[in-house]
Amino acid sequence: AQSVTQLDSQVPVFEEAPVELRCNYSSSVSVYLFWYVQYPNQGLQLLLKYLSGSTLVESINGFEAEFNKSQTSFHLRKPSVHISDTAEYFCAVSQSNSPSGTYKYIFGTGTRLKVLA
Amino acid sequence: DGGITQSPKYLFRKEGQNVTLSCEQNLNHDAMYWYRQDPGQGLRLIYYSQIVNDFQKGDIAEGYSVSREKKESFPLTVTSAQKNPTAFYLCASSSGLPWDYGYTFGSGTRLTVV
Repeated sequence: AQSVTQLDSQVPVFEEAPVELRCNYSSSVSVYLFWYVQYPNQGLQLLLKYLSGSTLVESINGFEAEFNKSQTSFHLRKPSVHISDTAEYFCAVSQSNSPSGTYKYIFGTGTRLKVLA
Repeated sequence: DGGITQSPKYLFRKEGQNVTLSCEQNLNHDAMYWYRQDPGQGLRLIYYSQIVNDFQKGDIAEGYSVSREKKESFPLTVTSAQKNPTAFYLCASSSGLPWDYGYTFGSGTRLTVV
């Protein structure tokens, strides 16, 4: 069964420092990959996604993620974080070749990013 | 502005009661979903619906029920059979295949059993 692992439950980092939030998935078949961000007491917002093509995808607020098929990873990075980036980040994967025509969208357990002044 | 509206934001339930969480979207999306979020467990799928008058169980459907009578609405009922209902509930929708477009989420309902 497909699974998504976010190795770090919490990541503290100082403002303006770089950060990497790790995400690994289990399946070797074609997958589509997503990162979502959740601010306190709010829903999730799509940050970026990988569907096909270039393995490096970027968001409008400076985050980027790189799809690495050999390592089955989709780590999220930002070269310089701001206080406003403090939130919980979820990695998600969806498998493309479900024979029944249905799909499964699996979320990781989340990584809480805490940006310190 | 288009989006998903969940109500109420906070809900308190006595043990043994059924409660219904509202989810309305004006995005003209075909598919709608209900997730439950617990600390440290990520999001778990309760039910989903890809078209009106049709829905499927997710991974943790026991103790929950849904209906999809209108495209815009996908209410979730937490029944007394759900033994541990205290959680944050998120409704989402997508325009088509979720792996193409991702989800749009509502702002959630926090349910507490008192």
